[in-house]
Amino acid sequence: AQSVAQPEDQVNVAEGNPLTVKCTYSVSGNPYLFWYVQYPNRGLQFLLKYITGDNLVKGSYGFEAEFNKSQTSFHLKKPSALVSDSALYFCAVRAPPYKYIFGTGTRLKVLA
Amino acid sequence: DGGITQSPKYLFRKEGQNVTLSCEQNLNHDAMYWYRQDPGQGLRLIYYSQIVNDFQKGDIAEGYSVSREKKESFPLTVTSAQKNPTAFYLCASSNRQGGFQETQYFGPGTRLLVL
Repeated sequence: AQSVAQPEDQVNVAEGNPLTVKCTYSVSGNPYLFWYVQYPNRGLQFLLKYITGDNLVKGSYGFEAEFNKSQTSFHLKKPSALVSDSALYFCAVRAPPYKYIFGTGTRLKVLA
Repeated sequence: DGGITQSPKYLFRKEGQNVTLSCEQNLNHDAMYWYRQDPGQGLRLIYYSQIVNDFQKGDIAEGYSVSREKKESFPLTVTSAQKNPTAFYLCASSNRQGGFQETQYFGPGTRLLVL
């Protein structure tokens, strides 16, 4: 069965430091992987996705994610965190046909 | 301005009452989805529809109903059978092109509260 795990409920990082939000997945076949961000009382905003190709995917707001097939991971990264990056982040995997499975979310807190 | 709209932003339900949440998209997407979000539980799929006049139950469909009479619209009704409806409800849509084009986009959400 397809599944997504976000092992950290919260990640704290100092402003200007690099950040990583972890995601591991279990899926049969080639994975379609996504990252979304959610601000309070708002819908999810699409950040980036991996479908195929280069393992390092670049997305919105300076975020990037690295697909690692052997470790079944798709960690979200940013070289220098901003206070405005503080939000709830969701990893998702597409489960054919046309269903999406989401992780439980990781709250990122960037400290000034 | 393309996107997904949800209304109302806040909705109050009285005990025993059915309420309907609206979701409209102008992205020309075939597939549409309803999710429920509770604190600490992420997103749970209620219903999804891949095409007009067809829809499938998700993981938590009990107490909910949907219709898909138009490509642009996918309303969700929270029935009186749903005993714990207080949550944030998110509508989403995606194209069916597959491959690199496929992405799911979300509306702004409706918060449902019980009086």
